[in-house]
Amino acid sequence: DSGVTQTPKHLITATGQRVTLRCSPRSGDLSVYWYQQSLDQGLQFLIQYYNGEERAKGNILERFSAQQFPDLHSELNLSSLELGDSALYFCASSVGSGRAFYTDTQYFGPGTRLTVL
Amino acid sequence: GEDVEQSLFLSVREGDSSVINCTYTDSSSTYLYWYKQEPGAGLQLLTYIFSNMDMKQDQRLTVLLNKKDKHLSLRIADTQTGDSAIYFCAESGSNSGGYQKVTFGTGTKLQVIP
Repeated sequence: DSGVTQTPKHLITATGQRVTLRCSPRSGDLSVYWYQQSLDQGLQFLIQYYNGEERAKGNILERFSAQQFPDLHSELNLSSLELGDSALYFCASSVGSGRAFYTDTQYFGPGTRLTVL
Repeated sequence: GEDVEQSLFLSVREGDSSVINCTYTDSSSTYLYWYKQEPGAGLQLLTYIFSNMDMKQDQRLTVLLNKKDKHLSLRIADTQTGDSAIYFCAESGSNSGGYQKVTFGTGTKLQVIP
């Protein structure tokens, strides 16, 4: 158990809908990362937050957005869903801001499996 | 941009050693990681190595780093059926803002044959 929790575990919805995925980082971790894992794209970095602020952006679609709240939990919002958005969505957390000069190891949650029908 | 390459599949017999290879392109990498993903689960950190080291051993796991060739390998001794999983290599460097950026490989699926 990494200490990172994600809800829900499974989500089934229809095209065009909007969903919210939730992540609670490990106690004491200030950074949260979101990843999408699909069969054809592998593990794709979406976005990172540190202490409530956006820190880095990866291959995140404009239909997707995220935020980190004062209690450090994070939500990933996916809207106008398409069939191709079906994937596993992982959240990871780490201690610090991710400055490259020290290790800021990421610990992953169990993931949310999203199925868009 | 940064790229991390792994072979997609490896099959070994139980009791043999497994060697999973990874190559990366970012010469400024500071840390390199190996993660394990079991079916239906998240990524579990196995081990990491600092870029100024060339070897790290942790029980059945041995990580070798050839920084000149930008080649990382993970050796699993006495491979067990419970080692069947997808193994991800990842490297951390810095982005243009000076913050850590982690790039993951495509993952290598290890199949252990009893």
